[in-house]
Amino acid sequence: QVQLQESGPGLVKPSETLSLTCSVSGGSISSYYWNWIRQPAGKGLEWIGRIYSSGKSNYNPSLRSRVSMSVDTSRNQFSLKLNSVTAADTAVYYCAREGRVGYYGSESYYNFDYWGQGALVTVSS
Amino acid sequence: EIVLTQSPGTLSLSPGERATLSCRASQSVSSSYLAWYQQKPGQAPRLLIYGASSRATGIPDRFSGSESGTDFTLTISRLEPEDFAVYYCQQYHTSPPTFGQGTKVEIK
Repeated sequence: QVQLQESGPGLVKPSETLSLTCSVSGGSISSYYWNWIRQPAGKGLEWIGRIYSSGKSNYNPSLRSRVSMSVDTSRNQFSLKLNSVTAADTAVYYCAREGRVGYYGSESYYNFDYWGQGALVTVSS
Repeated sequence: EIVLTQSPGTLSLSPGERATLSCRASQSVSSSYLAWYQQKPGQAPRLLIYGASSRATGIPDRFSGSESGTDFTLTISRLEPEDFAVYYCQQYHTSPPTFGQGTKVEIK
């Protein structure tokens, strides 16, 4: 059973960089797309972006200028960095796996079959 | 980006009743690229349905999905106590993947 676990600071100051890591256990990080999705309190879900195990990434245009992702296959981990944060970036951040194996390009997507439990990140001074 | 509009916002029903949730897309979405998720308070979303009508692993058959044009429907045939939650539709037909705003199914 694949399990995902987010980790990182729960409090980030405005204008600084939010950094989170997702650790994958129970399966290999290879040959899958790995995603970050966030949810402000009481609101809906917003896709942030994804990274393939090779390092290829796609980002939501609304956040592209501030987002970067990386993958460490030796540690079975992938990471998110979001810079220049504001209070609007306060949310629960989830990592999630796309449920289709293999590389299927930058224009095709799939559903999310495994999710982490979520990490609350608050942006405040 | 594709906007998904879910209705109703809240559905008040009793255990044993049938729940019908709707998701309408702002533009064409292939049925192969529409999913439904269930989210309970304090938990991550759980995949219920993908490809508009295929149940994910371990999902009971009281959950079913269907499609009619740009309208998608999630039906829960007989509500169990554990089914009261928020449900989201998601399209992955076009980048960026987007979610509906959710429908809350609450106990009447």
